[in-house]
Amino acid sequence: GQNIDQPTEMTATEGAIVQINCTYQTSGFNGLFWYQQHAGEAPTFLSYNVLDGLEEKGRFSSFLSRSKGYSYLLLKELQMKDSASYLCAVRHDYKLSFGAGTTVTVRA
Amino acid sequence: DGGITQSPKYLFRKEGQNVTLSCEQNLNHDAMYWYRQDPGQGLRLIYYSQIVNDFQKGDIAEGYSVSREKKESFPLTVTSAQKNPTAFYLCASRRSEAVSYGYTFGSGTRLTIV
Repeated sequence: GQNIDQPTEMTATEGAIVQINCTYQTSGFNGLFWYQQHAGEAPTFLSYNVLDGLEEKGRFSSFLSRSKGYSYLLLKELQMKDSASYLCAVRHDYKLSFGAGTTVTVRA
Repeated sequence: DGGITQSPKYLFRKEGQNVTLSCEQNLNHDAMYWYRQDPGQGLRLIYYSQIVNDFQKGDIAEGYSVSREKKESFPLTVTSAQKNPTAFYLCASRRSEAVSYGYTFGSGTRLTIV
């Protein structure tokens, strides 16, 4: 089966940096996605990695190491609106499998 | 604006009744997906369709059925055989050739069995 692990919860202070790790074991690999989801809403696309390395997009960066089955999402200059669940998802076999999500709480 | 429309946002049904959740997209996307989300769990794939008139079971298809008669529409029926249907249901779509753009999600339907 597919196994995608990420921490359940993280708390950080406004203006700080938080790193959300994701490890995966899947049958095949065609890319890794990070989504943001506010409670009761649809997930929104944040980033996509298919090659090893760092992808930077404004305050958000995502890193991938395919040999280690590892990715992280880095959130910089945290704002209160960043309080949400962050979902790691791996595309394989024409499907997208998700981790359970990491709830990030930003405190003033 | 193009997007995915799921309706209704909230749905209540009595135990033992079948219920159909609507998903319509005007993005001209080939592939469509249904996911279920429970508290503390990730999204789990119920069914997916890569082309009209074809669909495949996902990881938790038991108790569900789908159809894909039109490119724009991918309705999900939750049957009475589904043991625990109360959940948040999300529909998504994707252009088959544009992997890097990820999936576009609808706003979801929260189904409650009373």
